Amino acid sequence: DVKVTQSSRYLVKRTGEKVFLECVQDMDHENMFWYRQDPGLGLRLIYFSYDVKMKEKGDIPEGYSVSREKKERFSLILESASTNQTSMYLCASSFVRGAFFGQGTRLTVV
Amino acid sequence: AQSVTQLDSHVSVSEGTPVLLRCNYSSSYSPSLFWYVQHPNKGLQLLLKYTSAATLVKGINGFEAEFKKSETSFHLTKPSAHMSDAAEYFCVVSDPAYSSASKIIFGSGTRLSIRP
Repeated sequence: DVKVTQSSRYLVKRTGEKVFLECVQDMDHENMFWYRQDPGLGLRLIYFSYDVKMKEKGDIPEGYSVSREKKERFSLILESASTNQTSMYLCASSFVRGAFFGQGTRLTVV
Repeated sequence: AQSVTQLDSHVSVSEGTPVLLRCNYSSSYSPSLFWYVQHPNKGLQLLLKYTSAATLVKGINGFEAEFKKSETSFHLTKPSAHMSDAAEYFCVVSDPAYSSASKIIFGSGTRLSIRP
């Protein structure tokens, strides 16, 4: 089975902190994605990567950056966390034939 | 432009009765369509997918969906609901003509409740 692992299930950070969310997949997929999920807004794409060191902005990239130094790992970075970034963050790998999602990281910024 | 509309934000059925979750899409090309399920405090799990093969697609846990191009619909059905089906369901459209993931669109979700 494909496994997509997010490093934390729950995180609490302070406003202004730099936050790293890590995602690792074990199926050698080229494409990886970061979404955030908010009530009433569904899933929105933040960034995606189609290869090592390659990245593209999704629909809501403001306030975020990403890093893909190795194929299996895709990191989401909140440069200076703000309360409006409190959300559920979901990582996914692959897509054309279906995406596999991690369990999600519920981030609370206080 | 691509879009996907889930017509019901909440559906409630009795255990043992049929389930129908409705999804309409808009796509300029022949899309790939997916249904995902999310149980409380869990990640998303792929239920089934349509990628231009058979129009009736069977998925896991007894769910199936039918791609109807004339109606631009991809409704999810199950003959008999089980308590464990209570979850949030997402319809997703992906345009295979593009490699950009920004062409992948999620519906807003339908919460399925099952009454004993």
